[in-house]
Amino acid sequence: GAVVSQHPSRVICKSGTSVKIECRSLDFQATTMFWYRQFPKQSLMLMATSNEGSKATYEQGVEKDKFLINHASLTLSTLTVTSAHPEDSSFYICSARLLAGLYEQYFGPGTRLTVT
Amino acid sequence: KNQVEQSPQSLIILEGKNCTLQCNYTVSPFSNLRWYKQDTGRGPVSLTIMTFSENTKSNGRYTATLDADTKQSSLHITASQLSDSASYICVVNGNAGNMLTFGGGTRLMVKP
Repeated sequence: GAVVSQHPSRVICKSGTSVKIECRSLDFQATTMFWYRQFPKQSLMLMATSNEGSKATYEQGVEKDKFLINHASLTLSTLTVTSAHPEDSSFYICSARLLAGLYEQYFGPGTRLTVT
Repeated sequence: KNQVEQSPQSLIILEGKNCTLQCNYTVSPFSNLRWYKQDTGRGPVSLTIMTFSENTKSNGRYTATLDADTKQSSLHITASQLSDSASYICVVNGNAGNMLTFGGGTRLMVKP
């Protein structure tokens, strides 16, 4: 199956700093990528849809100025958590959608963010 | 409102035993249904994906069923192994990959 990578796999940062997470589709081009957040023992919650070459679409309740998304190429989307606070600590997962067949989404391995 | 409900929320079984996880959905329109396995601290990995016309699909020891009339799906795990311990998530796609509705997952623990 298609491969999606994320970097870093885990990051610890101080409150007030910004953190960038990269999501790459390694063997296919993805015009659309998705960013999810997952809290312990809960399912994935969609944060935003990242569209190559255009602005991201954010879900209700997700602050676009706090979670900056850039999808500059067909294989890379980035999520920047600005002015991070402890409540932003979570597991962030991206997925990339294959534009063929059943439009399956392939998920990255996730990034564990801890804000101290 | 589109919803996907899974049961049970958690399950403990002994190694070698079989188990069945349930998924009921109210998503409309319906495009396909996927089962994912998510190990702790990892991203979800696809096990099966089924369209409206498919009733059953197997992937090794995993067999998924779909009844589009009653809007129910199940995931059967045969001869469980310790490595099957994970969360299993049912996801229904309503619109060409854009409208995924996630179930809450079933946390399976396989004990020796």
